[in-house]
Amino acid sequence: GAGVSQSPSNKVTEKGKDVELRCDPISGHTALYWYRQSLGQGLEFLIYFQGNSAPDKSGLPSDRFSAERTGGSVSTLTIQRTQQEDSAVYLCASSLIWGNEQFFGPGTRLTVL
Amino acid sequence: SQQGEEDPQALSIQEGENATMNCSYKTSINNLQWYRQNSGRGLVHLILIRSNEREKHSGRLRVTLDTSKKSSSLLITASRAADTASYFCATGNSGYSTLTFGKGTMLLVSP
Repeated sequence: GAGVSQSPSNKVTEKGKDVELRCDPISGHTALYWYRQSLGQGLEFLIYFQGNSAPDKSGLPSDRFSAERTGGSVSTLTIQRTQQEDSAVYLCASSLIWGNEQFFGPGTRLTVL
Repeated sequence: SQQGEEDPQALSIQEGENATMNCSYKTSINNLQWYRQNSGRGLVHLILIRSNEREKHSGRLRVTLDTSKKSSSLLITASRAADTASYFCATGNSGYSTLTFGKGTMLLVSP
């Protein structure tokens, strides 16, 4: 079946602009995760959705970052008033339930000029 | 907070040799997972070992877990050039909702 997809694959924006990153998880997966990876670094957890429960936002670096998951499926990560330090690859993953292996999308490479 | 720390940061070997990567973490875990990442994009899950398991095999992969030392190792036997990638360990705790990833080991397998 189809894996996790993300769009766009690359996004170049100017400092101060808002961006929206989209994630389509694997159908039937109840858990969805967003991570950020800077060049040569590990993954930094951002936010996690599990079913209809309130999301775990503990990893969001600032109030400029927000995410929503509509209908328990597609998720959008929004970064407002982007800064150069927001430049990174944003990775989305889903799993059948929490604690299981996570399936990752190809990521969105965000460059803030 | 708990965090997987991989060792070494980089490893360069010849095809056919074995590659061993280590991971240490700080607090109690529910499970530990290893992932591979090619070209800085999406990660691929390799293997999951639960806290009550000591060793697990999958093809050319062998993972061990020593909860008393809070460490795990990933062994890739008979390495191939296609194994060239970054390898990450990630720890899961029942008290947390997601995994905590280390910074990874970059493996280079030369033909």
